Amino acid sequence: AQSVTQPDIHITVSEGASLELRCNYSYGATPYLFWYVQSPGQGLQLLLKYFSGDTLVQGIKGFEAEFKRSQSSFNLRKPSVHWSDAAEYFCAVGAGGTSYGKLTFGQGTILTVHP
Amino acid sequence: DSGVTQTPKHLITATGQRVTLRCSPRSGDLSVYWYQQSLDQGLQFLIQYYNGEERAKGNILERFSAQQFPDLHSELNLSSLELGDSALYFCASSPRPLQETQYFGPGTRLLVL
Repeated sequence: AQSVTQPDIHITVSEGASLELRCNYSYGATPYLFWYVQSPGQGLQLLLKYFSGDTLVQGIKGFEAEFKRSQSSFNLRKPSVHWSDAAEYFCAVGAGGTSYGKLTFGQGTILTVHP
Repeated sequence: DSGVTQTPKHLITATGQRVTLRCSPRSGDLSVYWYQQSLDQGLQFLIQYYNGEERAKGNILERFSAQQFPDLHSELNLSSLELGDSALYFCASSPRPLQETQYFGPGTRLLVL
């Protein structure tokens, strides 16, 4: 069964600082990986996804993530954080086969941005 | 705006009652997924439908059921509600059933008193 671990429950950064949110997954084959963001009281917005190909993927709002098979990781990065990036971030892994479209989510990382 | 709509946005009900949550997928999407988000369990996959047929089941209680109608909208029925069913219920949709990107609706917040 697939699983996702987001080791950091809460991260605080200053506006303008760089950001890296960690995500580790467990899945036997090549995973499909996603990062979603959830603002308070809102739904989940897709930031970026990795299906195959280039291991560095670009997303919306200036975010990028790098798939590292050897480390089973898919960390999310942003070079300069804006106050509007404060939200909760979820990493998710998907698999085909009998699991069809099921996504397994990590527990989320809450990002606080200080001015 | 993802294009996925969910109604109602908020629902307050009592234990033992039954409620129905509704989801309309993005135009052209045939697959619908339901997820539950709670403080203790996080985001959990409940069930998936594709073009009217159930395709996958997750941690869905027997008191919960779902269906997808010919016009592709879906309903999640929750019965014999318990306090622990209080959560945010999300619907997502994708064009096909196998690992397409899932687009999420705004959710229905259910409070059971």
